[in-house]
Amino acid sequence: KAGVTQTPRYLIKTRGQQVTLSCSPISGHRSVSWYQQTPGQGLQFLFEYFSETQRNKGNFPGRFSGRQFSNSRSEMNVSTLELGDSALYLCASSSGTGYGYTFGSGTRLTVV
Amino acid sequence: AQTVTQSQPEMSVQEAETVTLSCTYDTSESDYYLFWYKQPPSRQMILVIRQEAYKQQNATENRFSVNFQKAAKSFSLKISDSQLGDAAMYFCAYRRVITQGGSEKLVFGKGTKLTVNP
Repeated sequence: KAGVTQTPRYLIKTRGQQVTLSCSPISGHRSVSWYQQTPGQGLQFLFEYFSETQRNKGNFPGRFSGRQFSNSRSEMNVSTLELGDSALYLCASSSGTGYGYTFGSGTRLTVV
Repeated sequence: AQTVTQSQPEMSVQEAETVTLSCTYDTSESDYYLFWYKQPPSRQMILVIRQEAYKQQNATENRFSVNFQKAAKSFSLKISDSQLGDAAMYFCAYRRVITQGGSEKLVFGKGTKLTVNP
């Protein structure tokens, strides 16, 4: 059974640009959550999608957005990148009950 | 808001010995889930063990066990017979029980870096 796949693994962007990260959940999982991990703030919840609908959103500016497709794959987008957006972005999928989450290996975003 | 505190930024243990990682949390809820995740250098968060708050029995997964003290809001992880492969960041996480149609996020502690010495 394939795990959660995140692409790309690494990304370097320039301040002011935008970026799109992708997450393919475990087959059959309808919930996809995104987390930002930084040394200073730790792991912070960005948002969660379930059956193409955003169910929950963390305390992040509107520059952070996401969507989920009918096949449960999800993308998150960050516009007008800032240096502080440099982080590891982790995606997690679950069946929807929330009892267990399976994480991907993350996308390391560096903003220069 | 719920918070999770891991008071040990770093811990070390000798191979084959036992180590306990601490975690406390703050919540007004009576039912919830608690998790320990392991994050090796590969960056993937791996679920180590989980505990449902309504279950009094402490969860156990092979060499990993927890000491869940609900009244004290404490959830420590014990690793027995430590192995080199156990070296990683360990995160304690909390989540409320999902209500129908609802969604709840994981709230993480800051993590404990575990070093295993040969």
